[in-house]
Amino acid sequence: KQEVTQIPAALSVPEGENLVLNCSFTDSAIYNLQWFRQDPGKGLTSLLLIQSSQREQTSGRLNASLDKSSGRSTLYIAASQPGDSATYLCAVTLGGGADGLTFGKGTHLIIQP
Amino acid sequence: EPEVTQTPSHQVTQMGQEVILRCVPISNHLYFYWYRQILGQKVEFLVSFYNNEISEKSEIFDDQFSVERPDGSNFTLKIRSTKLEDSAMYFCASSWRGAEVEKLFFGSGTQLSVL
Repeated sequence: KQEVTQIPAALSVPEGENLVLNCSFTDSAIYNLQWFRQDPGKGLTSLLLIQSSQREQTSGRLNASLDKSSGRSTLYIAASQPGDSATYLCAVTLGGGADGLTFGKGTHLIIQP
Repeated sequence: EPEVTQTPSHQVTQMGQEVILRCVPISNHLYFYWYRQILGQKVEFLVSFYNNEISEKSEIFDDQFSVERPDGSNFTLKIRSTKLEDSAMYFCASSWRGAEVEKLFFGSGTQLSVL
């Protein structure tokens, strides 16, 4: 059974710092990996999707990498801003018709102004 | 920007009662999903729906759960006889080509409280 783990569970940093969130998964036979942002009282917003054949994806100040063989992904946030404060979730899908996502518990990020 | 809409935002029910959670996916999307998140726990997959039938379901999605797309725009999750442990935030999601190849769009959720 696929298990997704995110480290750290919580992180508080001053504004302007670059930071890295980590995600690991136990079954490397994934089809893709997504990073989501979850704000209180709101739904999940997909930030980046990396297909298993890709090594990284970038969107603005966000960069996500994937090392499928070692079962790891990182989300790099450059020049953090208070508006980046949220919970960041990592999720994988096994594909092959099984398109349900398996989520990690998330990293609760606070950016101090 | 198009969005997935869920109603109601909060639902309180008595144990044993039936509830229907409603979702309006993005209009040109073809793949529909329900997820749930119990307070303090991970988001969990319940079911995926494509071409008017269930394409995948998790162990959680037992006989008390059912889904329906009654009219081409709504997507509903019915819980037949609610239990205390069904209390959770339920999220609807949709996509055009499926989670294997593209991002999912999530609604804001329905907070279900079973008393």
